[in-house]
Amino acid sequence: QKEVEQNSGPLSVPEGAIASLNCTYSDRVSQSFFWYRQYSGKSPELIMSIYSNGDKEDGRFTAQLNKASQYVSLLIRDSQPSDSATYLCAVKLGGGNKLTFGTGTQLKVEL
Amino acid sequence: EAQVTQNPRYLITVTGKKLTVTCSQNMNHEYMSWYRQDPGLGLRQIYYSMNVEATDKGDVPEGYKVSRKEKRNFPLILESPSPNQTSLYFCASSPMTRTNYGYTFGSGTRLTVV
Repeated sequence: QKEVEQNSGPLSVPEGAIASLNCTYSDRVSQSFFWYRQYSGKSPELIMSIYSNGDKEDGRFTAQLNKASQYVSLLIRDSQPSDSATYLCAVKLGGGNKLTFGTGTQLKVEL
Repeated sequence: EAQVTQNPRYLITVTGKKLTVTCSQNMNHEYMSWYRQDPGLGLRQIYYSMNVEATDKGDVPEGYKVSRKEKRNFPLILESPSPNQTSLYFCASSPMTRTNYGYTFGSGTRLTVV
């Protein structure tokens, strides 16, 4: 079992729809969770972080965390073509400072 | 501007020719790390450093060296590059005292070893 798992996609959604990206992790003591967006050939860009169970909203983005199920998700409302990118889930496993990444989910927002 | 600066952005080299990729950050971060990114494998940690003169292996350290003589700099050294080190490399930094802080990444170095 991978430490941080994501579906590779591609996930295709029409413009204006809600995109839902999911991530599971293996370590029950993990405390810090992050979503990065990466355009092809570019560096990862932090878009959301979440530490407590429940939802955290920032503009069109909502991160959801369920520690009991070891599950974190990212919702993108009113998806735009500019949201087309690979979304990386990252977890600080074991409470340390090392970020372990999933392999990413490719999102395509279609006109 | 707070940033992590990597150089060069692109590098083509031949097998066995030593090279160094530089990384510098201006945020006074204690923690610095190198990752490589390969299709289907995602981002994998090569080496990390928790402060000056404190470095340790990540998940894929073979064939790489690092040093941390100053807080701001964390160069990645390939003593004898091989074609399987062809990859996209990222340097990243974060403060040690704030575990809820994500990493700030450099712009990346695309390395090709022929």
